[in-house]
Amino acid sequence: GENVEQHPSTLSVQEGDSAVIKCTYSDSASNYFPWYKQELGKRPQLIIDIRSNVGEKKDQRIAVTLNKTAKHFSLHITETQPEDSAVYFCAASIIAGTASKLTFGTGTRLQVTL
Amino acid sequence: KAGVTQTPRYLIKTRGQQVTLSCSPISGHRSVSWYQQTPGQGLQFLFEYFSETQRNKGNFPGRFSGRQFSNSRSEMNVSTLELGDSALYLCASRGTGGPLSYNEQFFGPGTRLTVL
Repeated sequence: GENVEQHPSTLSVQEGDSAVIKCTYSDSASNYFPWYKQELGKRPQLIIDIRSNVGEKKDQRIAVTLNKTAKHFSLHITETQPEDSAVYFCAASIIAGTASKLTFGTGTRLQVTL
Repeated sequence: KAGVTQTPRYLIKTRGQQVTLSCSPISGHRSVSWYQQTPGQGLQFLFEYFSETQRNKGNFPGRFSGRQFSNSRSEMNVSTLELGDSALYLCASRGTGGPLSYNEQFFGPGTRLTVL
């Protein structure tokens, strides 16, 4: 089955700096790659996603890149703010008709310090 | 639209007991998935239901089962509870129509299960 590895497990950056989180996946059939942010005690929330037919996607300070050949994808957060502090999860999925199964990475705890 | 809801929010059980958790998806969503979240194992997929049929299953023992009703509400059952079943159980619903929104899974707040 699919296996997703995520690095680093913890990341501390100063406010205003950029943060990069990297994930690799094993199943070349995976075609959907979402990123979730989970604040302490709260539910995971989708922050950005990318499909396999796209190499890059950007939404304000957040961008995701996908390299299908190398089977890795990355989350980039620019101009980090204290409210970006949370645990970030990458995931990979094969969307086939009405079926979907998200395989998550182990999470990255991002700490943005003042 | 109301978000995904889960009941109960907290549950304490003892080893050997069984438990049933409930999930109500976003109105119009027909796909419901269940995940187990623990500090050591992260978020792990349990199963997905669509139109009352299980479409995908994760690598969990048969003690974990689920079902979906005609109104898309879903329940998850764990029998013969073990200490290691203590976790946050999250359900997520997904729309399956349209190219722009059908992929995103919206998570509920979770049920925190503690097995003593």
